[in-house]
Amino acid sequence: NAGVMQNPRHLVRRRGQEARLRCSPMKGHSHVYWYRQLPEEGLKFMVYLQKENIIDESGMPKERFSAEFPKEGPSILRIQQVVRGDSAAYFCASSASGGVREDEQFFGPGTRLTVL
Amino acid sequence: AQSVTQLGSHVSVSEGALVLLRCNYSSSVPPYLFWYVQYPNQGLQLLLKYTSAATLVKGINGFEAEFKKSETSFHLTKPSAHMSDAAEYFCAVSAAGGFKTIFGAGTRLFVKA
Repeated sequence: NAGVMQNPRHLVRRRGQEARLRCSPMKGHSHVYWYRQLPEEGLKFMVYLQKENIIDESGMPKERFSAEFPKEGPSILRIQQVVRGDSAAYFCASSASGGVREDEQFFGPGTRLTVL
Repeated sequence: AQSVTQLGSHVSVSEGALVLLRCNYSSSVPPYLFWYVQYPNQGLQLLLKYTSAATLVKGINGFEAEFKKSETSFHLTKPSAHMSDAAEYFCAVSAAGGFKTIFGAGTRLFVKA
């Protein structure tokens, strides 16, 4: 019974490169959320997706960041032209249903991005 | 709008002592509240959640939390701390619409032998 999977667990990029973070939700879950955790801070919501749809991207920076959740395959968080300030832990969560406030979100282990 | 404030970024207790981690919330709708635990280099694990049923909620690992509407609080407690409880704890509220969860800044719990 695999949980939420994220890869890579650690990613090092130089300034200006692209970072691609992958998330496979729990089996049977079709709702995916991405969060960013800066050092010594809590998690900040970035985006909520269902299959092939972005439902809420109010937490995503307007530039350089994009997310997708295709019909087949994992959800991808893409950061173009990374800068040092993008260094953080990025967590993916999934839930069985969306828009249900009491529904538990199950979290992956995170991808720790370091920008040199 | 919803928000969460965790009082105390660091809490230190002795093994066997009471654990009390404080959380206050603000919500324009009846709140759904959560406590998560994060061990180093791992994701978040749900400890317990309040969803408008019983105000005293029991979770895993001996933790419980009490919802107090008059105080807008949802403090987390455990009667006797164990070394394995050392971790970071996050209080969270589910936003209206259910699309996202809003987290507090976290409280790091240290347990002394």
